[in-house]
Amino acid sequence: DIVMTQSPDSLAVSLGERATINCKSSQSVLYSSNNKNYLGWYQQKPGQPPKLLIYWASTRESGVPDRFSGSGSGTDFTLTISSLQAEDVAVYYCQQYYSIPFTFGPGTKVDIK
Amino acid sequence: DVQLLESGGGLVQPGGSLRLSCAASGLVFTNYGMSWVRQAPGKGLEWVSVISGGGDSTFYAGSVKGRFTISRDNSKNTLYLQMNSLRAEDTAVYYCAKGEGGSGYSSMNVWGQGTTVTVSS
Repeated sequence: DIVMTQSPDSLAVSLGERATINCKSSQSVLYSSNNKNYLGWYQQKPGQPPKLLIYWASTRESGVPDRFSGSGSGTDFTLTISSLQAEDVAVYYCQQYYSIPFTFGPGTKVDIK
Repeated sequence: DVQLLESGGGLVQPGGSLRLSCAASGLVFTNYGMSWVRQAPGKGLEWVSVISGGGDSTFYAGSVKGRFTISRDNSKNTLYLQMNSLRAEDTAVYYCAKGEGGSGYSSMNVWGQGTTVTVSS
């Protein structure tokens, strides 16, 4: 199974400042035949289902604000919130869909400082 | 708008069975792989199972393999999860989620609100 790890476990950022979350997979999730990274990022607010933010590691889902961006390839990935807003307080998960079983990272909790 | 509505959760004794349903609307259901994802109280997300759009391919997490069965009825736009031999550690909110492609090897871009399963005596 591919193990997903995230760092940090939690972070507190001032409004308007940058938040950076890292995700690492135990093996590459880059599929060489199409050069796509099978990696997604999700946001989950309390009492709500997860919401897809980013897929293929760096493609923003429709309707997601452009302050959210994804980067990385192979085994190392980053989700960046360029200017944190109050509504961004949530837990963020990365997930690989390269191989079965699809696995999620443990989550990173983002709060306002 | 695509909508997913889960049902069928509840309280069940250890060793018991339960069938979850997920009714989909606003999409050509057969075109998309569908997954079940669960979240134990206060814990993170755990992928449970996926089924391809045509229903011919199914895959499971090791923790549920042999006990849970995913299926779909494309004529009814409904996804199912038959859960047998339930254990306390299966207690969770169960979400159904729509994939972005027919195979199921994709991110999940629409999620239901979830249904709660509690396994306890």
